[in-house]
Amino acid sequence: SQQGEEDPQALSIQEGENATMNCSYKTSINNLQWYRQNSGRGLVHLILIRSNEREKHSGRLRVTLDTSKKSSSLLITASRAADTASYFCATERGPGSEKLVFGKGTKLTVNP
Amino acid sequence: DVKVTQSSRYLVKRTGEKVFLECVQDMDHENMFWYRQDPGLGLRLIYFSYDVKMKEKGDIPEGYSVSREKKERFSLILESASTNQTSMYLCASSLLLTSGRRAQETQYFGPGTRLLVL
Repeated sequence: SQQGEEDPQALSIQEGENATMNCSYKTSINNLQWYRQNSGRGLVHLILIRSNEREKHSGRLRVTLDTSKKSSSLLITASRAADTASYFCATERGPGSEKLVFGKGTKLTVNP
Repeated sequence: DVKVTQSSRYLVKRTGEKVFLECVQDMDHENMFWYRQDPGLGLRLIYFSYDVKMKEKGDIPEGYSVSREKKERFSLILESASTNQTSMYLCASSLLLTSGRRAQETQYFGPGTRLLVL
């Protein structure tokens, strides 16, 4: 079953604006990860947030986690054309599982 | 930096051919994964390996097999390629989770192989 579901499916913004993507999941997690995929390429890990963390920053990225609502958000501030990509959230399949379940992604387009 | 390489970026094969997709990682990771990615379906796990010669089926193993003879190399085999196996194939690796090691759940992906089966 799909663990992470991103919302929206697609987002188009102007350069300099902020982009917010959301992820909802169904079962308890130890951590949640966000990945980026440029068109036709592999995924690149962006950030991991643990279940005991509420917010985490990395450069222009801000991730929040609300375990009570089983949701996470990824905020990209001051977006650039180079941020154009698909963004995926991922959670482990079960407690201690090595395997991840990925959502279907949010396709972000940043227009120059 | 972790590097995961895949043998081909693009591959065109004919129905019925046996196809080998190779993946190599250089970070001594125990875990390796094969996914396929299709529009509207996201990433789906085909097979997972946590050690040499060890493998586990993922969500969609039918029509595929894998081989892990060396720790750094994980091969995906399409025994008899079919048109519905046209897809983007992604390989990934990660460290084994152990109690003595701070969890390293991050997966590192290769650039992908876009396979077209005619």
